[in-house]
Amino acid sequence: GQNIDQPTEMTATEGAIVQINCTYQTSGFNGLFWYQQHAGEAPTFLSYNVLDGLEEKGRFSSFLSRSKGYSYLLLKELQMKDSASYLCALGHAGNMLTFGGGTRLMVKP
Amino acid sequence: NAGVTQTPKFRILKIGQSMTLQCAQDMNHNYMYWYRQDPGMGLKLIYYSVGAGITDKGEVPNGYNVSRSTTEDFPLRLELAAPSQTSVYFCASSSGTGVLLFGSGTRLTVV
Repeated sequence: GQNIDQPTEMTATEGAIVQINCTYQTSGFNGLFWYQQHAGEAPTFLSYNVLDGLEEKGRFSSFLSRSKGYSYLLLKELQMKDSASYLCALGHAGNMLTFGGGTRLMVKP
Repeated sequence: NAGVTQTPKFRILKIGQSMTLQCAQDMNHNYMYWYRQDPGMGLKLIYYSVGAGITDKGEVPNGYNVSRSTTEDFPLRLELAAPSQTSVYFCASSSGTGVLLFGSGTRLTVV
């Protein structure tokens, strides 16, 4: 198996920075993806990493370390609308994604 | 472009009934997928297709069947519905970049 682990829930304050971690136990994957899913809605793509390092997209950044089996999603200047679940996923041959259980983020005023 | 369209949005089935969840995309994507998501959980892959006429099993295929006769359509068939199939079903498509575009989902309850 690939055992993708994420914290179940996190809470942060509006305007702050939050880091959502994702660890996995496999070396065979094409890329690591992050999706956002608001309650009752479909997941939407946020970011992905193929190589080690940091990818920045506005307020969101994602980091990957293949040697450490570790990724994180960094959200800056948190807004109330960032309250959602964040799903980490590994990409494989055949363009398949295997998802972790997701982290539910609650942003408080 | 409508993207990925799923129907129905909601359905209640009795144990033992059958139904087909419809999925269509208008982006000419080769790759299509069916995932299920149980409450508070991540997505589990049921079946996927890399092109018309080609389908393959994912992590949790038991109790389901698919077909891919055209590039646009990827219906999911449930035979003999069971309470364990109560879930939200998402269809998705991709051009092959690894970025998936999801439909709005079908909420299925089996009673």
